[in-house]
Amino acid sequence: EDQVTQSPEALRLQEGESSSLNCSYTVSGLRGLFWYRQDPGKGPEFLFTLYSAGEEKEKERLKATLTKKESFLHITAPKPEDSATYLCAVVTGGYQKVTFGTGTKLQVIP
Amino acid sequence: SAVISQKPSRDICQRGTSLTIQCQVDSQVTMMFWYRQQPGQSLTLIATANQGSEATYESGFVIDKFPISRPNLTFSTLTVSNMSPEDSSIYLCSATGTATNYGYTFGSGTRLTVV
Repeated sequence: EDQVTQSPEALRLQEGESSSLNCSYTVSGLRGLFWYRQDPGKGPEFLFTLYSAGEEKEKERLKATLTKKESFLHITAPKPEDSATYLCAVVTGGYQKVTFGTGTKLQVIP
Repeated sequence: SAVISQKPSRDICQRGTSLTIQCQVDSQVTMMFWYRQQPGQSLTLIATANQGSEATYESGFVIDKFPISRPNLTFSTLTVSNMSPEDSSIYLCSATGTATNYGYTFGSGTRLTVV
């Protein structure tokens, strides 16, 4: 059974304090790994897709990296508007089944 | 990527009744999915909505409780039947096209409260 574990469950940062979120996975036949941002009361918002180990993607203050067992979402100099829950998901299987992690709730304090 | 409209955005329902949630995509998509997100939890896949055929349900979810329709490539419905308070949750529609490079797009969700 595919498993996705995110850590930490919650993270509180001061504005400008850089950090990383972790997503570790145990799956067979990884077809892709996604990062999403979810604000309260809204659906997940797509951030990145990573396909293979060594791949990196960047968007503003966010950078996602992928190894064979885990992915990191690095947040550089975060701002209060980066506060949200960040979800990691893996895609496997012939019909592209998506399995989500439990998320990291990030709070950035001004 | 596709844009998904989901309605209703929220509802409060009496136990024993049923609610149908609609999901409309602004372009043709290959695959559509329905998820449940319970308070403080991550997303759990309920089923894959197949166009013109019966949905494919994940373990723990059955058609009698969560009937799904997908009459064409841009529209799907999820019905939550014979509701109980345990069905109180956020229900999300998701879709993707022929490539996953832009991920799976989600609707804004339906917040269901069963009283």
